[in-house]
Order: sequence, then C-alpha cells, then structure tokens
Amino acid sequence: TQLLEQSPQFLSIQEGENLTVYCNSSSVFSSLQWYRQEPGEGPVLLVTVVTGGEVKKLKRLTFQFGDARKDSSLHITAAQPGDTGLYLCAGGGSGGGADGLTFGKGTHLIIQP
Amino acid sequence: EPEVTQTPSHQVTQMGQEVILRCVPISNHLYFYWYRQILGQKVEFLVSFYNNEISEKSEIFDDQFSVERPDGSNFTLKIRSTKLEDSAMYFCASSGFGLAGGEQFFGPGTRLTVL
Repeated sequence: TQLLEQSPQFLSIQEGENLTVYCNSSSVFSSLQWYRQEPGEGPVLLVTVVTGGEVKKLKRLTFQFGDARKDSSLHITAAQPGDTGLYLCAGGGSGGGADGLTFGKGTHLIIQP
Repeated sequence: EPEVTQTPSHQVTQMGQEVILRCVPISNHLYFYWYRQILGQKVEFLVSFYNNEISEKSEIFDDQFSVERPDGSNFTLKIRSTKLEDSAMYFCASSGFGLAGGEQFFGPGTRLTVL
C-alpha cells in the first residue's frame, strides 16, 4: 500500500513570511500532483511534477519533486492571506493506465494578516 | 475553461436506498475516476474507467458500487443499497491521458448524507 505523509499537518504564519511544506513516501511515484482544496469543494490542481529533481514555479509557489521520486515540497515565498487553505499532495501510480491517485492528508495553512 | 461538473451538489437518502451520482467529465478526456472523502479524512480513490470499462478499483469499491458511462457525456456512480458509512463527499475526476498518472481534474463534488 502506497502512503503519502504530509507535514506539517497545520501551519499558521504571518503574512510576508516564507514557508515549506513536505510530502514524503517510501514508495516511488510516476508523478506527483499538488492540489488546493477549500472547505466543501473539490481539489483544484496546482501543478504536476513527473521527473526526479524537477522544479516548477507558479508565481510565489515553488514545487520540487525529489530525485528518487518519493517526495516533494511546496515552498511559498512572501505568503499572503489568500494562500490560506488546505494543500494536498497526490501521487500517481506506475503509469500506463488510469491509475488512481494516492492522496496525503494535507497541510492546513493559515496566513494571518 | 473546461471543467468537470457534478450533480446533485447534495443528496440525502435513507439507509438501504439506491443513489446515482452524476458527472460530466471534461469533453475530450479519456479517463474518468471516482473518489470519496469522508468528513475530516483524506481523499480516497474508488475506481477508474477507460474505454467503457473499469480500469482499476480500490478495496472500497465493492459489489454495492457500480459505474457507467450511459452516453457520450455522462459518467455515473451508483450505490445500490446505501449504508451510514457511505456518507461522504464524492468527487468525479477526469484526465486526458493515463501515462504517469496523468493530470486529473476534479469536480466540485456531491455531498451524500445517508440517514
């Protein structure tokens, strides 16, 4: 069974600070997707990383896939209150088909003005 | 921007009743999925569907569940005899390709409450 552990579970910081959240597994994933989920809504895709060591940037958000494709991180620079939300990582399977994603429990992020 | 849509947004049913949850995936996508999220828990994979048949299913997806693509646009999840523990948010997702997991786009969900 593949598991994804996200840390920290909760994070509350002041506006303007930088932060990093982590997504770790003992399993190799063919891809790693980061989503943001608001209460009562569906996950919204932020980014997909597929190559070990890959780095993608989305404005103030930087996503990295570990070299061994077992872990990933999300770094936010100069966090803003609008970044508040639940951030989920999800790993894709061995590929070659309609693989279900394995989700982590998420990091609840609160950015205080 | 194309999006996945789901109906109804809320469904309340009595234990033992059948429910059908409906989804319209993104129009040119080939792979379709159902996930569920029990309140306060993580999103869990139920089933994937490709080329008019189930591609993969989890242990959660037992004989009480079935999926169907009755026409060229809709994708449905049926629960034959609902149980209290089926209460959850159910999300439909679709992707344009299956290699390396693909990029899966999620709908807004259906909140199912079983009384």
